[in-house]
Amino acid sequence: AQSVTQPDIHITVSEGASLELSCNYSYGATPYLFWYVQSPGQGLQLLLKYFSGDTLVQGIKGFEAEFKRSQSSFNLRKPSVHWSDAAEYFCAVGADTGYKLSFGAGTTVTVRA
Amino acid sequence: NAGVTQTPKFRVLKTGQSMTLLCAQDMNHEYMYWYRQDPGMGLRLIHYSVGEGTTAKGEVPDGYNVSRLKKQNFLLGLESAAPSQTSVYFCASSYLSGYTFGSGTRLTVV
Repeated sequence: AQSVTQPDIHITVSEGASLELSCNYSYGATPYLFWYVQSPGQGLQLLLKYFSGDTLVQGIKGFEAEFKRSQSSFNLRKPSVHWSDAAEYFCAVGADTGYKLSFGAGTTVTVRA
Repeated sequence: NAGVTQTPKFRVLKTGQSMTLLCAQDMNHEYMYWYRQDPGMGLRLIHYSVGEGTTAKGEVPDGYNVSRLKKQNFLLGLESAAPSQTSVYFCASSYLSGYTFGSGTRLTVV
């Protein structure tokens, strides 16, 4: 069965500092990996996705993620965070290009001035 | 705007009452899903559908039923609401490129 672990429940980062969120997955075949962001009271918005090819993927809002098969990880990064990046972030893994995703528990990011 | 629309956005039910949540998508997606979101637990799949007329159980299906009579609509029913069903419910649809989510329904069962 597929599963996702996000080890950090809450991260606080200063505005302008770098951010890295961890995601580890368990899946028996080639994973399809996603990062979503959820602002308070809103639905989830797709940040980026990995299907195949280059293991460093670029997303919206200046985010990027790197797929490391040997570590079963898909960590999300941003070089310089903005106050508007305060939100909850979810990593997800699926069996196909968007079919029946399993989500991690989420990481809440707080940005301090 | 194209997307996934959920109705209602908020609802308070008394224990034992029934209700139906409606999800509509206009992107011609084959797959549709119902998730519930609870603090510290992420999103858990309740039921899903891979096409009109088909439904399947997800991770936490007990206490819920679904129907997909039309491709664009996916209904989630609670026959006898319980306080444990207090949650935020998200509908999503997908085809090849990841999910598109609705804005959610906040349900409180008292």
